Amino acid sequence: AQTVTQSQPEMSVQEAETVTLSCTYDTSESNYYLFWYKQPPSRQMILVIRQEAYKQQNATENRFSVNFQKAAKSFSLKISDSQLGDTAMYFCAFMKLPNTGNQFYFGTGTSLTVIP
Amino acid sequence: DAGVTQSPTHLIKTRGQQVTLRCSPKSGHDTVSWYQQALGQGPQFIFQYYEEEERQRGNFPDRFSGHQFPNYSSELNVNALLLGDSALYLCASSPADGEYGYTFGSGTRLTVV
Repeated sequence: AQTVTQSQPEMSVQEAETVTLSCTYDTSESNYYLFWYKQPPSRQMILVIRQEAYKQQNATENRFSVNFQKAAKSFSLKISDSQLGDTAMYFCAFMKLPNTGNQFYFGTGTSLTVIP
Repeated sequence: DAGVTQSPTHLIKTRGQQVTLRCSPKSGHDTVSWYQQALGQGPQFIFQYYEEEERQRGNFPDRFSGHQFPNYSSELNVNALLLGDSALYLCASSPADGEYGYTFGSGTRLTVV
């Protein structure tokens, strides 16, 4: 079974500062995908960033980057130059490779507040 | 281009009743997955439909059933509602391989009283 753990229920950051959200996971799979999703009050889950486990290079997407440590099964999200629009729930998610079960396994989320 | 559309946005039901939630996938997507998100929790996988058949199922009782139509839209049915079924129900659509391009709807908030 796959499990995803987010140990920070709530975090806050000053506007323009940097914040890191933590995520650990447990799996016996060797190839998989990891994701960070953002859920604002509109409730729609929005993809922030994706990492393929077979890639050693950490994914980046504008102000968002990850620190992927496969051996430690750790997948943290760094948000640089935080903006008010980044205020939302952030979910870490795991997915096995397609054709072996393409469902998301989500963590319990981190509520991020960006303070003006 | 419309994304994933879910209806209704909110509804209130009484224990023991039955409910049907609806989802229209993003244009070009043929696979629909349903998730239940209880308050303060992450979404949990209910099941996935592809080619009008249930392709994969999570750990949910048989009270939860679904259907996919030839136009790829989908319904989630829940029978004999329990208070614990109160949650946000999210629909996500994707191309068949699901590797890229998952799109979520804004969900249906179900309250069981």
